[in-house]
Amino acid sequence: GIQVEQSPPDLILQEGANSTLRCNFSDSVNNLQWFHQNPWGQLINLFYIPSGTKQNGRLSATTVATERYSLLYISSSQTTDSGVYFCAAPHQKVTFGTGTKLQVIP
Amino acid sequence: EAQVTQNPRYLITVTGKKLTVTCSQNMNHEYMSWYRQDPGLGLRQIYYSMNVEVTDKGDVPEGYKVSRKEKRNFPLILESPSPNQTSLYFCASSLRQTDTRDNQPQHFGDGTRLSIL
Repeated sequence: GIQVEQSPPDLILQEGANSTLRCNFSDSVNNLQWFHQNPWGQLINLFYIPSGTKQNGRLSATTVATERYSLLYISSSQTTDSGVYFCAAPHQKVTFGTGTKLQVIP
Repeated sequence: EAQVTQNPRYLITVTGKKLTVTCSQNMNHEYMSWYRQDPGLGLRQIYYSMNVEVTDKGDVPEGYKVSRKEKRNFPLILESPSPNQTSLYFCASSLRQTDTRDNQPQHFGDGTRLSIL
């Protein structure tokens, strides 16, 4: 099956800083999904992005399917951005990366 | 409101006592799936269902059963729970999941925290 790797595994940011999270996948995928798991454990859909770039407020995502990676950009980070960010390759079987744990400190 | 509902949200039980975690979605989604989340291992798929009466194993199916008798419901059954099944469980649904770009984003329930003593 598809392998999904995320980096970095952990990230600590000062409030207001920008960051880039990366998701690499081992094979071609038709779609890629980014999630945020908040400190209460809820999984929130961020982006569903097979290719190209999408933006939603301070967050944006870019997937380069031909090179098998996706990037999640967080600009002007806030403490509410803390949590774990997952990417997943939606398919019949769904493979998740192991996540990037982000802590934004005031 | 479109949602995936799991019950219970929290459960502490003992080894060997059969339990069922229910999952229901109100979006008429074809695809439903169960995941477990463990520290350091991320989310791993247990079982999935492409449609009514169609279920398939994910990556970690051992010790679990599922059924899909109706489109909206996809219960997860632990016939004889063991401590290594202590985990955070998520149910998810999407309109469809295929090999093509036709597949759809998944929507998740709020999770069930299961402790087996």
